[in-house]
Amino acid sequence: QVQLQESGPGLVKPSETLSLTCTVSGGSISSYYWSWIRQPPGKGLEWIGYIYYSGSTRYNPSLKSRVTMSVDTSKNQFSLRLSSVTAADTAVYYCARTGPNYGYYFDYWGQGTLVTVSS
Amino acid sequence: DIVMTQSPDSLAVSLGERATINCKSSQNVLYSSNNKNYLAWYQQKPGQPPRVLIYWASTRESGVPDRFSGSGSGTEFTLTISSLQAEDVAVYYCQQFYTTPYTFGQGTRLEIK
Repeated sequence: QVQLQESGPGLVKPSETLSLTCTVSGGSISSYYWSWIRQPPGKGLEWIGYIYYSGSTRYNPSLKSRVTMSVDTSKNQFSLRLSSVTAADTAVYYCARTGPNYGYYFDYWGQGTLVTVSS
Repeated sequence: DIVMTQSPDSLAVSLGERATINCKSSQNVLYSSNNKNYLAWYQQKPGQPPRVLIYWASTRESGVPDRFSGSGSGTEFTLTISSLQAEDVAVYYCQQFYTTPYTFGQGTRLEIK
């Protein structure tokens, strides 16, 4: 059974960079796409972007200028960096598996981690 | 971006009764080359991540009870719960994975009447 676990600081100051890592267990990160999705408290879901195990990426244009994703296949991990954060970036951040092909649903999700942007 | 619009925003249904949630996409999500609708439904309970229920608009994920079904094609889709159980109280989201940015509906909150 594939499991995903997000990790990283729960509090980030405004204008700084949010950094999260997702560790995949129970399966290989290879041959799949992996996404980050966020959910502000009490609100809906927003796809941030995905990274393929090879390192190719695609980001949501609404966040593209501030997002960087990376992958470390040796550790079965992938990561998210979101720069210049504001209070609007306060959300639960989920990592999710996005299938073996372009155009696939999210079949496995992490439990999510709440990141609060505040001074 | 493809805009996903769900209706209603909230719904209260009696135990054992049918619940129906609708989802409209602003663009077609049917890929003609394979005749698949790139549409999924998720269930999210409080404090939990979303869980996929239905993908390709009508294929039930393994382990999902058969009271959940999906239908529709092109731009209009429906999630039906044939006989509501107490454990079905949740927020339900539709999502298109036809093209990036992948987008979700705003969610439908399902409660017991």
